Amino acid sequence: GAVVSQHPSRVICKSGTSVKIECRSLDFQATTMFWYRQFPKKSLMLMATSNEGSKATYEQGVEKDKFLINHASLTLSTLTVTSAHPEDSSFYICSARDYPRPDSPHEKLFFGSGTQLSVL
Amino acid sequence: QKEVEQDPGPLSVPEGAIVSLNCTYSNSAFQYFMWYRQYSRKGPELLMYTYSSGNKEDGRFTAQVDKSSKYISLFIRDSQPSDSATYLCAMGGNNFNKFYFGSGTKLNVKP
Repeated sequence: GAVVSQHPSRVICKSGTSVKIECRSLDFQATTMFWYRQFPKKSLMLMATSNEGSKATYEQGVEKDKFLINHASLTLSTLTVTSAHPEDSSFYICSARDYPRPDSPHEKLFFGSGTQLSVL
Repeated sequence: QKEVEQDPGPLSVPEGAIVSLNCTYSNSAFQYFMWYRQYSRKGPELLMYTYSSGNKEDGRFTAQVDKSSKYISLFIRDSQPSDSATYLCAMGGNNFNKFYFGSGTKLNVKP
């Protein structure tokens, strides 16, 4: 199956610093990527939809100035948590939408391995 | 009403049992149906995907979609302790700009 690489897997930072998380599709072009947040024992919470070459679409209640998303290429989207605070500590996961193509006729969604962010 | 409903469990079964995991949904326009397995503090791993109705089998896993009932299932045969994880259903379609997820069912397979 397709591979989505997410880095870093774990980051610990001081309050007030910014943290960048990268999400790469390794063997397909992902015009659309998604960013999620997941609290312990809870399901995925969609934060935003990232479209290559255009502004991200944020879900209601998600601060776009706090969570900056850049999708500058067909294989890379980044999420920057700006001026992080302890309440931003969470597990962040990206996914990439694999649209139908000749060798894979049906649409699928592949996830990165997640990033555990801890803000001290 | 939520778009996708999934019993959160936990579901505890003995090793070797057949496991049945289910989701119901409300939007008849969904076309793609996927099942993911997620271990603690890891990203979800795509297990099975199905387009439209029907069954699909892959090893010990069988996915079923019944669009008339808006009901999807994942069956795990000969369950193993390594199958212990949270299983998420997801669905979407060409006319949707995002995917919709169930809340996940936590499965525990006891040795």
